[in-house]
Amino acid sequence: AQSVTQLDSQVPVFEEAPVELRCNYSSSVSVYLFWYVQYPNQGLQLLLKYLSGSTLVESINGFEAEFNKSQTSFHLRKPSVHISDTAEYFCAVSEEWEYGNKLVFGAGTILRVKS
Amino acid sequence: SQTIHQWPATLVQPVGSPLSLECTVEGTSNPNLYWYRQAAGRGLQLLFYSVGIGQISSEVPQNLSASRPQDRQFILSSKKLLLSDSGFYLCAWGTGRVSPLHFGNGTRLTVT
Repeated sequence: AQSVTQLDSQVPVFEEAPVELRCNYSSSVSVYLFWYVQYPNQGLQLLLKYLSGSTLVESINGFEAEFNKSQTSFHLRKPSVHISDTAEYFCAVSEEWEYGNKLVFGAGTILRVKS
Repeated sequence: SQTIHQWPATLVQPVGSPLSLECTVEGTSNPNLYWYRQAAGRGLQLLFYSVGIGQISSEVPQNLSASRPQDRQFILSSKKLLLSDSGFYLCAWGTGRVSPLHFGNGTRLTVT
């Protein structure tokens, strides 16, 4: 079974500083990876996804993640964070299933952006 | 466009009482449907998933059950709630093997 490890439970950072949220997954022949963001008392919103092709994927709000097969990692980065980026971030990997996707999630990383 | 609705948003129930949480999806046909539970600091745990009407698969043994009476309706139930059933319950839908999942806004359940 797939597993996901998010190495940091909380990451405090000052506004306009860069940030990296780390994610490692268990290896598999083929893998689909996702980052979701959750604001307080809300559901999860898809931030970005890696399915195939370019190993660097970007979101519309400045986040990017790089798929590294040799290190089985999918770290999320942003060069300059805003207060509004404060949220919990979840990394997820797809579990192979003939009918579709079952996502296995990491424990989450709370990003706290301070002014 | 597709939308997913969950209700209620919050719920406080006593131990031993029944539970019914409902989720509906609009704008798509024959979606895969999922119930996840989120406990504080523990990420999301897949509870149930369904590929069609009347078909339910359970990921973990527990005090809960799920049903899919219609194509786009997914219900999470319990006959008698336990304190350990407290948490944030999220419904999601998806299609295909490479499709991301789309989540509802969740139900926060507190069992007292």
